[in-house]
Amino acid sequence: LAKTTQPISMDSYEGQEVNITCSHNNIATNDYITWYQQFPSQGPRFIIQGYKTKVTNEVASLFIPADRKSSTLSLPRVSLSDTAVYYCLHSQAGTALIFGKGTTLSVSS
Amino acid sequence: GAVVSQHPSWVICKSGTSVKIECRSLDFQATTMFWYRQFPKQSLMLMATSNEGSKATYEQGVEKDKFLINHASLTLSTLTVTSAHPEDSSFYICSAWARLAGGIGGDEQFFGPGTRLTVL
Repeated sequence: LAKTTQPISMDSYEGQEVNITCSHNNIATNDYITWYQQFPSQGPRFIIQGYKTKVTNEVASLFIPADRKSSTLSLPRVSLSDTAVYYCLHSQAGTALIFGKGTTLSVSS
Repeated sequence: GAVVSQHPSWVICKSGTSVKIECRSLDFQATTMFWYRQFPKQSLMLMATSNEGSKATYEQGVEKDKFLINHASLTLSTLTVTSAHPEDSSFYICSAWARLAGGIGGDEQFFGPGTRLTVL
């Protein structure tokens, strides 16, 4: 069973900021939170990873509250090419990733 | 970042034949690789964990005699779909963990580009 819960779908327009929140109530102490992006007929691609507080890289930010039971992926100024499925997962290094349904983000012009 | 490749990227076969899919870690060694299957408009489903030099660990409901996994080296795992049937048509994806220099401490799992299997 998937260990995370996220909205099934989200719609946005180009240039807007998109925030996708994920619930992971049973996260273990040693788990990291990782977000992946997947385009049709491609393997998932790593977006960002964090343990607590805030992490930012060149494509996204990840906000994790102190209790770590949820996390929010923030995509600044989305474009049409950001239309994809986004998966939130938490795990320890070396273990299998159990994917939930993910969030299908649709960006329109 | 680390690269995982798969071959072939797509394959069409007749019902009853066997198909082998290769998964390679190109610039790092992977003692453990994972195989996933994804049906249209569905999420990735873990099939098995491939361990170098030992037997694979299969998830519940996955037939180990139908989906043969061999992890003969630290850079290669193969998935053979034996006696394929149309219901085996799917997108098969492999992955492996790698630690990047300068990472925050949590390793990253890299995914291959996937293999589209169509069984006629």
